[in-house]
Amino acid sequence: KQEVTQIPAALSVPEGENLVLNCSFTDSAIYNLQWFRQDPGKGLTSLLLIQSSQREQTSGRLNASLDKSSGRSTLYIAASQPGDSATYLCAVPLSGYSTLTFGKGTMLLVSP
Amino acid sequence: EPEVTQTPSHQVTQMGQEVILRCVPISNHLYFYWYRQILGQKVEFLVSFYNNEISEKSEIFDDQFSVERPDGSNFTLKIRSTKLEDSAMYFCASSEYSGRDEQFFGPGTRLTVL
Repeated sequence: KQEVTQIPAALSVPEGENLVLNCSFTDSAIYNLQWFRQDPGKGLTSLLLIQSSQREQTSGRLNASLDKSSGRSTLYIAASQPGDSATYLCAVPLSGYSTLTFGKGTMLLVSP
Repeated sequence: EPEVTQTPSHQVTQMGQEVILRCVPISNHLYFYWYRQILGQKVEFLVSFYNNEISEKSEIFDDQFSVERPDGSNFTLKIRSTKLEDSAMYFCASSEYSGRDEQFFGPGTRLTVL
């Protein structure tokens, strides 16, 4: 059974800082890894999808890396802004399945 | 930009009542999913649907739950006899070709069972 863990559970930083969110998973037989953003009481917005054959994926100020063999992914946010405040979730499907297993998320607060 | 839509945004019901949650996936997508998130907990998979049949389901998806694609655009989740513990945010998602593709989520329906 796949378990996904995200560290830290919460993070508070001043505006402008670069930060790293961590995600680990127990079963490395994955197709890909997806990072989402969730605002309070809202749906999930897909940020990045990184395929199992890739090591990195970038979108604007976001960069996700994947080390499948060690079961780890990081989401790097450059020059954080108050609008980045949200909960960030990572999710993985097991090979042979389409269903996503989610972590509990990292709640990020960026203060002006 | 195409997006997944869900209705209603909030549903309040009495325990034991039937509810139907509705979703319109992205139009050219072939895989559809329901997930739920109980307040303060992880997002959990319920069921996936492809080619007009269930392809995977979790332990949560028992006989009280059913899914249907009644027409070419809607995808529904029915809970036959709601329980207090069914109170959660229910998310619909879709992906283009397979589970290897990016999944796009709707805004969710908050279900409150009294």
